[in-house]
Amino acid sequence: KAGVTQTPRYLIKTRGQQVTLSCSPISGHRSVSWYQQTPGQGLQFLFEYFSETQRNKGNFPGRFSGRQFSNSRSEMNVSTLELGDSALYLCASSLAAGIMGYTFGSGTRLTVV
Amino acid sequence: AQKVTQAQTEISVVEKEDVTLDCVYETRDTTYYLFWYKQPPSGELVFLIRRNSFDEQNEISGRYSWNFQKSTSSFNFTITASQVVDSAVYFCALRGNTGTASKLTFGTGTRLQVTL
Repeated sequence: KAGVTQTPRYLIKTRGQQVTLSCSPISGHRSVSWYQQTPGQGLQFLFEYFSETQRNKGNFPGRFSGRQFSNSRSEMNVSTLELGDSALYLCASSLAAGIMGYTFGSGTRLTVV
Repeated sequence: AQKVTQAQTEISVVEKEDVTLDCVYETRDTTYYLFWYKQPPSGELVFLIRRNSFDEQNEISGRYSWNFQKSTSSFNFTITASQVVDSAVYFCALRGNTGTASKLTFGTGTRLQVTL
């Protein structure tokens, strides 16, 4: 079965711009989580969506937002980009809120210049 | 608050050596789940194992084995007869069962370099 698909794979944006990243979970998975990975902070939880509702949110500023559609696909948006937003953004899908495990996508590598 | 500590930042071994990656966790939850993930240079996090807090049985899968000890809050990972393909960053992660339960708390990762 198809895995978690994230698009685009690479992105270069300028400070002040906004960006939208997309994640298509494994078919049948209704939970989608987003993580930011940077060399300095490691892997940090951004938010989780389940059945189009945000269930959890990490400690990130309001510039980071997301949503989930009825087909479980999810998007995350970062507005007014800062240099520090350069990171690998990973999406994970799960069947049972992560109790049985999470399947991650290959990530979107965002570079802000 | 949940916390995962991977004290080993980087480990270098020669192929065929055995290597153990350490993971120590902190949680107040009585029910929790522990995971190991492998991250190759491509960036994707590859699931290796899941263990719940009520199952302390150690597990072996091929060259991989895991030692879960609640008494010391540790969940260590051993690769037997390491191979070059094992070179990657390995993350230990914890999922609690209360509050913002469904998020994963990751350790800082251990970079494993296996050379010929």
